[in-house]
Amino acid sequence: AQTVTQSQPEMSVQEAETVTLSCTYDTSESDYYLFWYKQPPSRQMILVIRQEAYKQQNATENRFSVNFQKAAKSFSLKISDSQLGDAAMYFCAYYGGSQGNLIFGKGTKLSVKP
Amino acid sequence: DSGVTQTPKHLITATGQRVTLRCSPRSGDLSVYWYQQSLDQGLQFLIQYYNGEERAKGNILERFSAQQFPDLHSELNLSSLELGDSALYFCASSASLISYNEQFFGPGTRLTVL
Repeated sequence: AQTVTQSQPEMSVQEAETVTLSCTYDTSESDYYLFWYKQPPSRQMILVIRQEAYKQQNATENRFSVNFQKAAKSFSLKISDSQLGDAAMYFCAYYGGSQGNLIFGKGTKLSVKP
Repeated sequence: DSGVTQTPKHLITATGQRVTLRCSPRSGDLSVYWYQQSLDQGLQFLIQYYNGEERAKGNILERFSAQQFPDLHSELNLSSLELGDSALYFCASSASLISYNEQFFGPGTRLTVL
């Protein structure tokens, strides 16, 4: 069964600095998709970034980028120029195989200090 | 706003009771997913419906059931409620059976069982 592990329950970053959130996963599939979702205090789940496993190039969305290491089954999220609005829970998620659902990690709570 | 609506936002009930959570997917989306978010278990997939038919089941208890109606809205029924059922229940939708792109999440229903 596929699993997703986020080893950092909490992280803190100074405003305008850079922070990296870690995620590892386990799968025997060769074709799959990885996501980072953000959950602010409003509880809404918001897609931050998406990576297709067959693409070697790391995905980038403005200040958000990923470091995708397929052999190591690692998928970290880098937030550059952190802003107060980035404070939230961040969930790493896996999608692949024949299942229809996302498999989530336990989440990392990110605090941004002014 | 993801376009997915969920009602009610909050629900407080007693043990042993039965409740129904409602979800309306984004216009045109045929797949509906239900997830449960609790403090100890994190975000867990419960069940998926596609165009009215059940397509995948996750960690859904026998006390829980769901259905998707011809107008594509979905309901999650929780019966014989226990204290441990207190959680945030999310509905998500996607256009197709296999959602490689994105699942759009509703704002969630906060269920409190007293």
